[in-house]
Amino acid sequence: EIVLTQSPDFQSVTPKEKVTITCRASQSIGTSLHWYQQKPDQSPKLLIKYASQSLSGVPSRFSGSGSGTDFTLTINSLEAEDAATYYCHQSSSLPITFGQGTRLEIK
Amino acid sequence: EVQLVESGGAVVQPGGSLRLSCAASGFTFDDHAMHWVRQSPGKGLEWVSFVSWDGGRRYYADSVKGRFTVSRDNSKNSLYLQMSGLRTEDTALYYCARGGGLLDWFDPWGQGTLVTVSS
Repeated sequence: EIVLTQSPDFQSVTPKEKVTITCRASQSIGTSLHWYQQKPDQSPKLLIKYASQSLSGVPSRFSGSGSGTDFTLTINSLEAEDAATYYCHQSSSLPITFGQGTRLEIK
Repeated sequence: EVQLVESGGAVVQPGGSLRLSCAASGFTFDDHAMHWVRQSPGKGLEWVSFVSWDGGRRYYADSVKGRFTVSRDNSKNSLYLQMSGLRTEDTALYYCARGGGLLDWFDPWGQGTLVTVSS
């Protein structure tokens, strides 16, 4: 099983800050890594697919990078509405696994 | 609008059974693989099961293998999860999600249905 480890677990940030969340895989997964945003009492929403592919309707301040074992989700100029928990997800092999999540609090 | 709506969650005793449903709309259901993912209260996400577009391939997490069965009825645009031998650790919010394929992204997700296993 591929283990995904996110860091940090929690971050308190101010609006307009730049935020970087990392996801490290226990073995190489190419670019089979996706990012989700889950706001309180909502279901997860796909933000970035295949490490760096942006999606229609997702604000351009969200971007992803990385390949192999190390991946990054970057949020440029954070907004209050970005308060959420962010998860990475690998689809390289079964069982499909998720990172433990990174909770962002807006000061 | 693409939409997934789960139902069937309930409080059930350990060892009991339950059937979850997921109604799909707004897209061609039989063009897509589907997944079940669960989230224990206050916890992270755990993939549970996959079914291919035609129901011909099914995969399960080890934690539910032999106890849960995924199925779909493309004529009704519906996905199901038959759960038996329920354990307290199965307590979670169960989401259905559309997949790009077996090993692909999940988009969108339903709002979830809550299963509570307790005596």
